[in-house]
Amino acid sequence: DSGVTQTPKHLITATGQRVTLRCSPRSGDLSVYWYQQSLDQGLQFLIQYYNGEERAKGNILERFSAQQFPDLHSELNLSSLELGDSALYFCASSVGGHPSSNEQFFGPGTRLTVL
Amino acid sequence: GQQVMQIPQYQHVQEGEDFTTYCNSSTTLSNIQWYKQRPGGHPVFLIQLVKSGEVKKQKRLTFQFGEAKKNSSLHITATQTTDVGTYFCAPRAWSNTGKLIFGQGTTLQVKP
Repeated sequence: DSGVTQTPKHLITATGQRVTLRCSPRSGDLSVYWYQQSLDQGLQFLIQYYNGEERAKGNILERFSAQQFPDLHSELNLSSLELGDSALYFCASSVGGHPSSNEQFFGPGTRLTVL
Repeated sequence: GQQVMQIPQYQHVQEGEDFTTYCNSSTTLSNIQWYKQRPGGHPVFLIQLVKSGEVKKQKRLTFQFGEAKKNSSLHITATQTTDVGTYFCAPRAWSNTGKLIFGQGTTLQVKP
């Protein structure tokens, strides 16, 4: 158990819908990272938040947005869902904000299926 | 931008055989991390290499960082069925603007 929690574990929805994925980092970790993992794309970095502020952005679609709240939990919002958004979404956390010096702890992931 | 190539993509070995995965970057790295993801699981941090030419061992796993800090390898001696999974490198470049890049991963299958 990494100490990072993600809800829900599974999510099945239809195209065009909007969903929210939730992540609680390890106690004491200030950074939260979101990743998308699909079969043919590996682990794709979406976005990082550090202590409530956006720190780095990857290939995140405009239909996707995220935020980190004062209690440090984070939410990833996916809207106007398409079939291609079906994937495993991981949240990870780390102590500091600099990606080059911090081990990341991954949550169990949320499996999103868009029908 | 930074390009990362991890090879091979897949490797099937007989239990007891050795296994190596390679990670190559187009740019000089500040450090590199390695993660393992078991089937159905999440990535788990294995190690971080920082110094040029660094070699670190964890039981049957040997991690190397190239002298030029552009490549790295993970070698497993005498594989066991518990080694099954996908191994990802996560190279960090000095020019990195904050975007985090993982290699494509090497999926290891071990036949008992």
